[in-house]
Formats: sequence, C-alpha cells, structure tokens
Amino acid sequence: EAGVVQSPRYKIIEKKQPVAFWCNPISGHNTLYWYRQNLGQGPELLIRYENEEAVDDSQLPKDRFSAERLKGVDSTLKIQPAELGDSAVYLCASSTGGLAGHSSYNEQFFGPGTRLTVL
Amino acid sequence: AQSVTQLDSQVPVFEEAPVELRCNYSSSVSVYLFWYVQYPNQGLQLLLKYLSGSTLVKGINGFEAEFNKSQTSFHLRKPSVHISDTAEYFCAVSGYFGNEKLTFGTGTRLTIIP
Repeated sequence: EAGVVQSPRYKIIEKKQPVAFWCNPISGHNTLYWYRQNLGQGPELLIRYENEEAVDDSQLPKDRFSAERLKGVDSTLKIQPAELGDSAVYLCASSTGGLAGHSSYNEQFFGPGTRLTVL
Repeated sequence: AQSVTQLDSQVPVFEEAPVELRCNYSSSVSVYLFWYVQYPNQGLQLLLKYLSGSTLVKGINGFEAEFNKSQTSFHLRKPSVHISDTAEYFCAVSGYFGNEKLTFGTGTRLTIIP
C-alpha cells in the first residue's frame, strides 16, 4: 500500500513569489493534516481536514496561506507571497476518520515532506 | 492547551550502550502519548504509543517507553543502540477526542558513536 505522497520534495524560490505544495493521502483516509516544521523544531499543525471540511485552521496564517481539499482526497497548500520566514519543511499526514466528541485514536501517517527555501 | 518538553536537544551515545531520551508533558486533560523517529530527509515514523493500560509500552526497533502520570513523563529507552538508530526523536501528545492534532516537542538528536 502506498504511503502519503507529497510533491515537490524540494522547492527554492525568491521572496514574494507564490508556491504550492501537493499531498495525496493514503487511500481511504478521510482526515488530512498539514504541519510546518521549522529548523530545529517539532512539527506544528497548520490545518486539519475532515473530508472536504477544514475543521481546524486556527494556526494557518490566513493573510498569505491558503489550502484546499476539493474532492476530499488530495490537498494543496499555497503561500502567496512567500517570506523569508516561511522557509521550513511542510509535512502532510493522513488518518482514518474519527468522530468528534468520541474517545478514539487513529494513527497519523506522515509523508516525506516538502523542504521550502525562500531566498 | 498541551505542551511537550524535551530537555535534551542532543544525546551522543556509544554503540551498544543504553540510552534514555526524556520527555515531559503538560495538559489539563488526559492525553495520548507518542514517540516518533525522523531519519534525515524523511517523514515521521511512529515508534510507539501509549493509549491506556500498561504503563510500559514497547515499540519497533527495540525501543520502549514508560508512562508516569505523577511525574507527567514519557521517557524513551533502548538497552543497546546501533548505528542505525542515529536520527531525530520527537515526543508528542494528543487529546482523546476525534482526530486531534499532535503537539510535538522540539526533538532530541540521537548520535551513535562507533
């Protein structure tokens, strides 16, 4: 079974340019997460989707970041315009669906990430 | 709100020696606890998890961890390390309900000395 697929693996851009990252989750996984991992830090959640719905985007900088998951499968994360401080690894993860309000655990599987360098 | 503290940013260990990577957490509610490993230029891989039951949990690659509620700790141990264990290790917590986000510590870089 294929894991979480992300592309591109590496991206170098000039500041103020736009950039987009793509993620294809594991087949059948309803929940999709985007995390950002700054150098020397642990990943931090940017946005979580349940199917097509963004259920937690409280940490997404909405002035320049946007995300979509139109058909409830793959997802795109965009930055426009990019700033120097956006240099990081952007990780996508997926898990099987869970019911909000119920005690449950669904393992998150991570993709290899996209390493973004903003010059 | 939840938080995770990994006090050791780097741990050098001689090959075949034991190792302990420390993790402390803070939360006002009960949590699930995890250890992930990240090899260079790769994503995160789950080593082990504590959900409930026995406080000693065993994971892949010979690692184990012990949940201590009174000390709010979840330290990772291995009795004998190998060169292949060189990686970054992250402790993480999540809440109980639904597919909640993982809150990670800052990581511990384990370096094995031949």
